[in-house]
Amino acid sequence: AQSVTQLDSQVPVFEEAPVELRCNYSSSVSVYLFWYVQYPNQGLQLLLKYLSGSTLVKGINGFEAEFNKSQTSFHLRKPSVHISDTAEYFCAFHTGGFKTIFGAGTRLFVKA
Amino acid sequence: ETGVTQSPTHLIKTRGQQVTLRCSSQSGHNTVSWYQQALGQGPQFIFQYYREEENGRGNFPPRFSGLQFPNYSSELNVNALELDDSALYLCASSSGLNTEAFFGQGTRLTVV
Repeated sequence: AQSVTQLDSQVPVFEEAPVELRCNYSSSVSVYLFWYVQYPNQGLQLLLKYLSGSTLVKGINGFEAEFNKSQTSFHLRKPSVHISDTAEYFCAFHTGGFKTIFGAGTRLFVKA
Repeated sequence: ETGVTQSPTHLIKTRGQQVTLRCSSQSGHNTVSWYQQALGQGPQFIFQYYREEENGRGNFPPRFSGLQFPNYSSELNVNALELDDSALYLCASSSGLNTEAFFGQGTRLTVV
């Protein structure tokens, strides 16, 4: 079955520290991978996407992610977080079909 | 260029009632997808409309139905509301079947 597993439900981190949010996926076919951010009471905003090509993808707000096909992972990283990065982050993929499959989310909490 | 807009933003309904949620897609977009996001979970795909036809459906019962209009705006209808239908309902539009989707702010539905 196709699925996305976000390995941490919550990640607390101090301001200016690095952070990694982990994501693994399960699919028998090639995938397109995404990370979205959701601020309280808002919709989803696309942070970055992997469609093909270079496995290191850079997105908005200083985030980047690396696609690892052998480990079926797409971990999100940022070298130095800010208070404003506090939000829910969702890893997702689709296989070129009609639906996007989302993980359960990781709540990033940045402390001063 | 206007983004994806959803109405209403919040709604309270009684169990057994019917509800209609509305979505105006981004200018130039002909594909609309609907997702249900229960509290503390990732979005779950409900269905997608492409050029006024249902293009795919997730694991939701028939009391969840939809429409897409010639201007590509869309409605989500839910009949016989149940308490578990309480969730954030997200609409996403895109310019084609396999292109990036842009999400609206969502409609928060509470069933009491």
